[in-house]
Amino acid sequence: QITLRESGPTLVRPTQTLTLTCTFSGFSLTTGGVGVGWIRQPPGKALEWLALIYWSDDKRYSPALESRLTITKDTSRNQVVLTMTNMDPVDTATYYCAHIPTVTTSFDSWGQGALVTVSS
Amino acid sequence: EIVMTQSPLSLSVTPGEPASISCWSSQSLLHTNGRNYLDWYLQKPGQSPQLLIFLASDRASGVPDRFSGGGSGTYFTLKISRVATEDIGVYYCMQALQTPRTFGQGTRLEIK
Repeated sequence: QITLRESGPTLVRPTQTLTLTCTFSGFSLTTGGVGVGWIRQPPGKALEWLALIYWSDDKRYSPALESRLTITKDTSRNQVVLTMTNMDPVDTATYYCAHIPTVTTSFDSWGQGALVTVSS
Repeated sequence: EIVMTQSPLSLSVTPGEPASISCWSSQSLLHTNGRNYLDWYLQKPGQSPQLLIFLASDRASGVPDRFSGGGSGTYFTLKISRVATEDIGVYYCMQALQTPRTFGQGTRLEIK
């Protein structure tokens, strides 16, 4: 059974850097084809894809946010970390991590989400 | 970037009746392997999104067979043959062909 859990601060001040950790079980990021993605959802709005990382350490970013995002993996800890710099109130959202299986490019398992509020 | 457009943005359906959602992509989602890289997700109230359909027409594990996906190229549909009360929520299409991954605006399904 695949599980993912997002963790990090619930409140971030404007201009600060957000660090979110996705801790997972039930799969390994050393398995060929496997990946983990990050998606966010502002309150009452649609889903927005942010970044993903594959077992090979191939990393992809949203062009709109690429200058502010960094995604890394720690295979020994079964974790994927997303950092976002220069946070702004418009970045207030629920942040999800999700599993990408080997056979497709879909997000077939999602974490419960972490609500991050950006406010002074 | 591929733009995804859904219609309608909301629909109200009587239990037992069918429902259909359309999704257009600004570029073809047909891969050279012959598969269309289009997913459908359902986000039930207060929950994380869940995968319903991948590769345009393949049901994810555990998804009832009243859900079906179709279409090819730039036009796709999600059909629910007989809506159940537990089907309420927001449905999103997402192109999985390339990065950046992009989602539609979402379609809210409510029960009459």
